[in-house]
Amino acid sequence: KNQVEQSPQSLIILEGKNCTLQCNYTVSPFSNLRWYKQDTGRGPVSLTIMTFSENTKSNGRYTATLDADTKQSSLHITASQLSDSASYICVVSAWKGGSQGNLIFGKGTKLSVKP
Amino acid sequence: NAGVTQTPKFQVLKTGQSMTLQCAQDMNHNSMYWYRQDPGMGLRLIYYSASEGTTDKGEVPNGYNVSRLNKREFSLRLESAAPSQTSVYFCASSAGTSTWETQYFGPGTRLLVL
Repeated sequence: KNQVEQSPQSLIILEGKNCTLQCNYTVSPFSNLRWYKQDTGRGPVSLTIMTFSENTKSNGRYTATLDADTKQSSLHITASQLSDSASYICVVSAWKGGSQGNLIFGKGTKLSVKP
Repeated sequence: NAGVTQTPKFQVLKTGQSMTLQCAQDMNHNSMYWYRQDPGMGLRLIYYSASEGTTDKGEVPNGYNVSRLNKREFSLRLESAAPSQTSVYFCASSAGTSTWETQYFGPGTRLLVL
């Protein structure tokens, strides 16, 4: 069964500190992996997308990594800001033929950045 | 450019009542989606419309119907609401249904069924 597991479930850090969120998946055949940021009371917003051949991709202070062999991804946030407080959702696309895929959503990691 | 808009923002229903959730996008996207988000669970796809005039079931379609009114609008109808349908509903759109397309989400509709 295709699954996406995220850890930790929640995390509290101090402003200015770094943190890393984890995503493990058992999705086959793998197409791509996205990280979304969801602010409280808002819809998710895409941060980055990674393909099988990409190991690292950055978007400002956000850096995503992908290890397709171990089926793990991480999202590293550098020099956290109060505005980083949100849920971070890992989404893996299972390829189903042509350019089509099914999206499998993780439950998310809730990050709280405290002053 | 408002992106994806949803109405209403919040709704309370009694069991058995019906209602329609509205969604519109102004990005000229072909594909639109309805998801539900429940505490402790990932987003789950209810229905999607790959293009104007077509709709398909997602992972959890029971109890819902959809209408792709035109390219801009995609509505979700609950014919007889049940407490199990208490959830936050998100509409999303994308240029196409390719796995590479980014989905853009609306702000959500919070539904409480008593």
